[in-house]
Amino acid sequence: KAGVTQTPRYLIKTRGQQVTLSCSPISGHRSVSWYQQTPGQGLQFLFEYFSETQRNKGNFPGRFSGRQFSNSRSEMNVSTLELGDSALYLCASSLGSASYGYTFGSGTRLTVV
Amino acid sequence: AQRVTQPEKLLSVFKGAPVELKCNYSYSGSPELFWYVQYSRQRLQLLLRHISRESIKGFTADLNKGETSFHLKKPFAQEEDSAMYYCALSGIQGAQKLVFGQGTRLTINP
Repeated sequence: KAGVTQTPRYLIKTRGQQVTLSCSPISGHRSVSWYQQTPGQGLQFLFEYFSETQRNKGNFPGRFSGRQFSNSRSEMNVSTLELGDSALYLCASSLGSASYGYTFGSGTRLTVV
Repeated sequence: AQRVTQPEKLLSVFKGAPVELKCNYSYSGSPELFWYVQYSRQRLQLLLRHISRESIKGFTADLNKGETSFHLKKPFAQEEDSAMYYCALSGIQGAQKLVFGQGTRLTINP
């Protein structure tokens, strides 16, 4: 079966711009989570969606937002980009609970210049 | 606050030697613990979950609530075990999220 697909793989944006990242989960998975990975902070939870509803949110500013569509595909948006937003953004999907374990995508590498 | 600590950033052992990657957690409730692994140029993937008490690729991990630890062990290391290993905690007050440790880069020397 197809894995978790994230697009685009790479992005270069300028400070102040906004960006939208996309994630298609494994078929049948209704939970989609987003994580930010940086060398300094490691893997940090952004938010989690289940059946189009945000169930959990991490400690990130309001510039970071997301949504999930009826087909479980998810997008995350970052507005007013800052240099510190440069990171690898990972999407993960699950049947519905973290207990099952997550399947991760390859990530989107965002560089803010 | 919930926290996962992996005290070793780097760990290097010889092929055939035993491996132990340490993981300690801070959480007052009943945690669910995981090990995730990332091989070179591959995606982060689930290695094992404590609730299933399974052995994957020869690795095992036992949850020790008294010591709040979830160390990953393998009796005989193989070169293909070289990777980045992350310990993660979930089930925090019903929240569907993972709290990750900083990771340990394991290198198996021939």
